[in-house]
Amino acid sequence: SAVISQKPSRDICQRGTSLTIQCQVDSQVTMMFWYRQQPGQSLTLIATANQGSEATYESGFVIDKFPISRPNLTFSTLTVSNMSPEDSSIYLCSAGAFFGQGTRLTVV
Amino acid sequence: GQQLNQSPQSMFIQEGEDVSMNCTSSSIFNTWLWYKQEPGEGPVLLIALYKAGELTSNGRLTAQFGITRKDSFLNISASIPSDVGIYFCAGPTPQGGSEKLVFGKGTKLTVNP
Repeated sequence: SAVISQKPSRDICQRGTSLTIQCQVDSQVTMMFWYRQQPGQSLTLIATANQGSEATYESGFVIDKFPISRPNLTFSTLTVSNMSPEDSSIYLCSAGAFFGQGTRLTVV
Repeated sequence: GQQLNQSPQSMFIQEGEDVSMNCTSSSIFNTWLWYKQEPGEGPVLLIALYKAGELTSNGRLTAQFGITRKDSFLNISASIPSDVGIYFCAGPTPQGGSEKLVFGKGTKLTVNP
């Protein structure tokens, strides 16, 4: 199993601003993943974060809106750019079958 | 894309009752995962299934990997109030190896004491 820590755990942000979410894994992993969970909904994969190469985005998600960094095998960041209220969601990172506790984002 | 159909959407039960929920897909899965999510938390892995027909238990939880590889169920026996939460099934997408997951819509469980 892996222990995954995310921060911040929650934030309230003004529209038009950006927020960077950090994800730390307690062991080296090849792939890390970022998911979005809209209010009352299930999890949807945003992108796969690969170390040493650009992230791979799922249909409906683009790099300009959700830039991702993966500087090493234990760390990744997801930025939610130019936020609008529609971006209010829980953002989760994962490695393998294990998830962080999520970042609850509210955009006002 | 690949979809997992999870049912029921919600359940309201009395403490002590048994619970059953299931997940089906039009595609074959090689792995089935069952998660529980509580408010303010990320999904926590309950049971992982890797082989068709496999039946695995974790305390009061039992899950089975259907022999067609297109379905799975999760049973909770003798429910208690702390079983409250949303239960998700998940499985890896064909393109994603074993790690890129698609999720069911979840079963919200309420247990009345």
